[in-house]
Amino acid sequence: DVKVTQSSRYLVKRTGEKVFLECVQDMDHENMFWYRQDPGLGLRLIYFSYDVKMKEKGDIPEGYSVSREKKERFSLILESASTNQTSMYLCASSLLAGQETQYFGPGTRLLVL
Amino acid sequence: AQSVAQPEDQVNVAEGNPLTVKCTYSVSGNPYLFWYVQYPNRGLQFLLKYITGDNLVKGSYGFEAEFNKSQTSFHLKKPSALVSDSALYFCAVRDTTGGSYIPTFGRGTSLIVHP
Repeated sequence: DVKVTQSSRYLVKRTGEKVFLECVQDMDHENMFWYRQDPGLGLRLIYFSYDVKMKEKGDIPEGYSVSREKKERFSLILESASTNQTSMYLCASSLLAGQETQYFGPGTRLLVL
Repeated sequence: AQSVAQPEDQVNVAEGNPLTVKCTYSVSGNPYLFWYVQYPNRGLQFLLKYITGDNLVKGSYGFEAEFNKSQTSFHLKKPSALVSDSALYFCAVRDTTGGSYIPTFGRGTSLIVHP
């Protein structure tokens, strides 16, 4: 079974802090994704990566950056956390983009005070 | 451009009754369609997908979905609902003609199955 793990289930940070969310997958998948999930808005893509050191912006990249130094690890960085970044963050991976199933991590619920 | 709509925020059904969760989509070419389920405090889990072939797709936990090209729909169904089916359900679509190869997700439908 594919396993996608996220470093924290719950996180509380203060406005202005730099926040790192880590995601690791164990199935040698090419593609990795970061989404945020908000009630009534569904899942919105922040960034995705189709290879090591490669990244592309999703629908809502503002205020975020990402890093993919190794194939199995994809990090989401909030350079200066703000209260409007309070959300559930979901990481996913897939073998190929497009028709392939995405496998999701359990999510990190981030609260920015 | 690709888009997907889940017209119902919430669906209520009694245990043992059939359930339907609706999804409609818009694409330029042919669609790839997906259903995912999210249980409380969990990530999304894949249920089923339509890529090509038979319009009726069977998936996990007894769920199935029917691809209807003329109505641009991909409704999720189950003949007999269980209380444990209560969860948030997401439909996703990817347009195979140009554009992004990343699926677009709907806003989700909360399914509540009453005992």
